[in-house]
Amino acid sequence: DAMVIQNPRYQVTQFGKPVTLSCSQTLNHNVMYWYQQKSSQAPKLLFHYYDKDFNNEADTPDNFQSRRPNTSFCFLDIRSPGLGDAAMYLCATSRGGLAGTDTQYFGPGTRLTVL
Amino acid sequence: AQTVTQSQPEMSVQEAETVTLSCTYDTSESDYYLFWYKQPPSRQMILVIRQEAYKQQNATENRFSVNFQKAAKSFSLKISDSQLGDAAMYFCAYRSGHTGKLIFGQGTTLQVKP
Repeated sequence: DAMVIQNPRYQVTQFGKPVTLSCSQTLNHNVMYWYQQKSSQAPKLLFHYYDKDFNNEADTPDNFQSRRPNTSFCFLDIRSPGLGDAAMYLCATSRGGLAGTDTQYFGPGTRLTVL
Repeated sequence: AQTVTQSQPEMSVQEAETVTLSCTYDTSESDYYLFWYKQPPSRQMILVIRQEAYKQQNATENRFSVNFQKAAKSFSLKISDSQLGDAAMYFCAYRSGHTGKLIFGQGTTLQVKP
C-alpha cells in the first residue's frame, strides 16, 4: 500500500561528494515536492514540480537541484553537500489544483548525514 | 505573508485523557485551508485532519477534532482518549487557496504517559 516511497531511508555522504535522493509515487499525482527538515523544526519547502514545470523557492540554495523524468519519479540532487545540509529530506505529492481536497501526502523521508 | 505559530513546543498527556494543541495563524486571504499533520519519531508525516476556512463546522476524525475560530485565527487540535500511539510531533499547517503552498508551524511534541 506504499504510496510515496523514498530511497534510501538513510544516506551517508562525504563533505562535497554529490548525492542523489529518490522519491517515487503510486498515486499518479501531478505535483511532487521536496522539503528539508532539520531536527525538531518545521519542514522547509525547497521546490516542487507541477507535472514537468519546475518551481524553485526563492531561498533554495543553488546547491540543490531536482529532476522529474516521469510522473512517478522525482530526484533531489545535492551537488556539493556541506555539513549544514545534514537533515531529513521529505518528498510529498498532491493531486494538484487549489481545491481543499488537494492534500499533500508525505513519504517516510531520507535522513542525510554529511561527514 | 502568511505565518503559522504553535506556541507549545512540548505537551504531555496521560493515557485516556484529553489534550488540546494550540495553533494560530496570520493571513489576509479569505480562501485557505488548515491541516494538522502527525509525525511520529522516525516515521512519516501523516494527515490527521483538515479544515476548509469557508466551513463553519469544526472538522472531526474519530478521536481528533478541531476548534476553528476564524475571527481569532485560531485552529486548535483536540485529541480525546489519548493513546500511546498518539505520541508524535504535531504540525499545524496553512495552505493558501491562491498559491497552494503549505506553510508549517514549528511543531508541538506530544508525550503520552501510560
